[in-house]
Amino acid sequence: GAVVSQHPSWVICKSGTSVKIECRSLDFQATTMFWYRQFPKQSLMLMATSNEGSKATYEQGVEKDKFLINHASLTLSTLTVTSAHPEDSSFYICSARTGTSSYEQYFGPGTRLTVT
Amino acid sequence: GQSLEQPSEVTAVEGAIVQINCTYQTSGFYGLSWYQQHDGGAPTFLSYNALDGLEETGRFSSFLSRSDSYGYLLLQELQMKDSASYFCAVRDNTGKLIFGQGTTLQVKP
Repeated sequence: GAVVSQHPSWVICKSGTSVKIECRSLDFQATTMFWYRQFPKQSLMLMATSNEGSKATYEQGVEKDKFLINHASLTLSTLTVTSAHPEDSSFYICSARTGTSSYEQYFGPGTRLTVT
Repeated sequence: GQSLEQPSEVTAVEGAIVQINCTYQTSGFYGLSWYQQHDGGAPTFLSYNALDGLEETGRFSSFLSRSDSYGYLLLQELQMKDSASYFCAVRDNTGKLIFGQGTTLQVKP
């Protein structure tokens, strides 16, 4: 149980275009989803926290107008990288939590974004 | 600020025991977790300590001392497949997971 999927697993896009990444909890309802970014050989950096039906909370330094997050249902959150640039190339990982009292987060397989 | 410190690299041989330490300084503490991540893959949950002491799960054990803001992950009977990055993470008072920089474990034959 507790499977999180991401789509696509990898994507290559041209500079200036937008890319949408989907994160789905397959067998549970995720009240909270988290979006992370990870550069090679580095740690996971939290970008934003999203709760179903409300606006996402962005971490300091993360541009909310560039990284649009929508948590439309208890099983789906999307991250849209708008006007992508080469420096946005990274590994984007989502995770989901079943409730505020739950300590465990279930991670998706990640999406490798390359902006050319 | 919030910070977690762990060694950047550890090397050990197959069959050996290795300990990866983690010290933390965070705003609020609601448990220390450990995650394993293979190259190109997603982090997978290994263990969680909310209270002081040792938690054992198969070949992996995790320890926590809240008074020392310190924990460790112990891997026994190392196998080649254990070569990966290991992250400690603290859940702070907002519910977020704060990750350490990760420890790359290389297991040699």
